[in-house]
Amino acid sequence: GAGVSQSPRYKVAKRGQDVALRCDPISGHVSLFWYQQALGQGPEFLTYFQNEAQLDKSGLPSDRFFAERPEGSVSTLKIQRTQQEDSAVYLCASSLGAYGVYEQYFGPGTRLTVT
Amino acid sequence: DAKTTQPNSMESNEEEPVHLPCNHSTISGTDYIHWYRQLPSQGPEYVIHGLTSNVNNRMASLAIAEDRKSSTLILHRATLRDAAVYYCIRGSQGNLIFGKGTKLSVKP
Repeated sequence: GAGVSQSPRYKVAKRGQDVALRCDPISGHVSLFWYQQALGQGPEFLTYFQNEAQLDKSGLPSDRFFAERPEGSVSTLKIQRTQQEDSAVYLCASSLGAYGVYEQYFGPGTRLTVT
Repeated sequence: DAKTTQPNSMESNEEEPVHLPCNHSTISGTDYIHWYRQLPSQGPEYVIHGLTSNVNNRMASLAIAEDRKSSTLILHRATLRDAAVYYCIRGSQGNLIFGKGTKLSVKP
């Protein structure tokens, strides 16, 4: 069956450019999460959606980071004026239930390199 | 700190059992214990989770101490495909708080 997909898989951006990362969750999954994973570290939570509502954005590192899920399915993570410290793998995960203890299914991630 | 404590790395021989320990001494009564693993160049993959009782599924077993301050993930027969970083996570809400995990190497 189809899992979580992310695009692009790799993105190289020059410092100062804006980027948009896409996540296609598993169909019917209510919850969607974004995580950032620096090299050699575990993933760090960025933001959480329940359907189209962004219920938690406490992990977004700055106001240059913006996420949306307008129709409660596909989500986009946008980073404005990229900086070198934004270089990381950005992971998207979805789960069937609402905020609570449900298995999360992760996509393969988008590796962002800012030069 | 909501993160758990795990050894940085462990080694196992193929087809032998592996016991991956995790300390979570400040766990609250509503926190579940989750285990995920991450193979190279892939997103994390769910392994198992539990609250108080030991849990078994097709991938692994989870043994939880009676005081819930520690737990052990048990892979009954390690294969080369089990080589990965294993994350032990405590939490009662949706977002997962990952630590650095344990890098498991499996020798043929």
